[in-house]
Amino acid sequence: KNEVEQSPQNLTAQEGEFITINCSYSVGISALHWLQQHPGGGIVSLFMLSSGKKKHGRLIATINIQEKHSSLHITASHPRDSAVYICAVLRGSNYKLTFGKGTLLTVNP
Amino acid sequence: DVKVTQSSRYLVKRTGEKVFLECVQDMDHENMFWYRQDPGLGLRLIYFSYDVKMKEKGDIPEGYSVSREKKERFSLILESASTNQTSMYLCASNKMGAAQVGYGYTFGSGTRLTVV
Repeated sequence: KNEVEQSPQNLTAQEGEFITINCSYSVGISALHWLQQHPGGGIVSLFMLSSGKKKHGRLIATINIQEKHSSLHITASHPRDSAVYICAVLRGSNYKLTFGKGTLLTVNP
Repeated sequence: DVKVTQSSRYLVKRTGEKVFLECVQDMDHENMFWYRQDPGLGLRLIYFSYDVKMKEKGDIPEGYSVSREKKERFSLILESASTNQTSMYLCASNKMGAAQVGYGYTFGSGTRLTVV
């Protein structure tokens, strides 16, 4: 079983919809990252969380440490949000990230 | 704008060739990482470096080596390229203690390597 599981693997939405991507992990962590990867490969770090909730524009990330679960929400989705969203966890002082396999989001106009 | 720059976006090499992938960051970060990304497997760590001339093996170091002679540059070396090393390679960096002070990772744009 993977240490980091994301759901769904693929998600198609209509423009304007509210989107939720989930990440569950099975190990103790010091931080959780949400990353965005557009076609062509480059990865952008969206959030780093160790507790609670963070918001940046239309993106909201939450984490529940007790339940070992995090969610990424996108409000008022737009076709430019189409990308692969990747959850990654950092364990203790180890600088190595463990990645989920990603969620491919397609937002249609 | 802070950057991690990978020298090539696309590379095609022949089996058995020695291949160098270069990564340069301009943020004075201590930590640098090389990952490969394959469909269905996600990103996997090959090597990382936490200081000049210091390196540590990641999850899949076989067939690879690295070099960090200067703080800003981290090179990935495929000693004798094989077809199973065809992949997307991503470099990343972050600051020492990043998790403790809320810093994330900065990734390069990736190098898509094809070994024929």
